[in-house]
Amino acid sequence: QVQLQESGPGLVKPSETLSLTCTVSGGSISGYYWSWIRQPPGKGLEWIGYIHYSGSTNYNPSLKSRVTISEDTSKNQLSLKLSSVTAADTAVYYCARDRYGGYLQHWGQGTLVTVSS
Amino acid sequence: DIQMTQSPSTLSASVGDRVTITCRASQSISSWLAWYQQKPGIAPNLLIYKASSLESGVPSRFSGSGSGTEFTLTISSLQPDDFATYYCQQYNSYPWTFGQGTKVEIK
Repeated sequence: QVQLQESGPGLVKPSETLSLTCTVSGGSISGYYWSWIRQPPGKGLEWIGYIHYSGSTNYNPSLKSRVTISEDTSKNQLSLKLSSVTAADTAVYYCARDRYGGYLQHWGQGTLVTVSS
Repeated sequence: DIQMTQSPSTLSASVGDRVTITCRASQSISSWLAWYQQKPGIAPNLLIYKASSLESGVPSRFSGSGSGTEFTLTISSLQPDDFATYYCQQYNSYPWTFGQGTKVEIK
C-alpha cells in the first residue's frame, strides 16, 4: 500500500522560503497526480497545487506567484517550495495522490510548519 | 473561484441517528464533488467521489447524492467512529476548493 511522508523544517522565518518534501513508498510517482494541500490550525483545507508525473503543474492562483512544485522520480519524491512566507502560511501541509486529477485518494500524515521569527 | 458552502457548520447527533450534510457550489460543478472525513490530528480520508461513488473500504452507511450545485452526504446510522469533521471538495475547475467543514458532535 502506498505511503506518503512529508518532511521539512517545522519553523521558518518570515520572508524566507518554506521547503517540504513528500517521500512516496510502496508505489511509483508515475501515473498519478500529486497535490499539496494545507490547513491552518483550527481551520479548513486549501489546495495549493499539483504536479502530474509527466511534469505538468497547476497552482492555486492565490499562491501561484510564490509556489513551485517539483518531482524527483529517481528518489520517488515530490517537493513544495513557498517563498516570502508570512504568519498566514502557518499550517499543516499535506501531500496527496490521485489518479485522475480531482479527488484525493491517499494522503500523507501532514507536517506542521510555523512561520515565526 | 468556485465557492463551496456547507451546512450546518456543526451538527449534534446521537449514535444511530440518520445524518445529512449539505454542500452548495456557487456555480454548477456537474458531479465533480468529493467528500472527506477528518478526525483531529489526522489527515482527511476520502469517502465519496463523483458525488455518489463510494470509495473502496468505506462503510456502506455513507452515501452521497446531488449534481449541479447542491449535494448531500448522508450517514444512515451514525456510529461512534463517525464523530468527526466532514469536508466537501469540488474538482470541476481550478482551483479545487473545499467547503468550510461540518463538525459532527455527540449529542
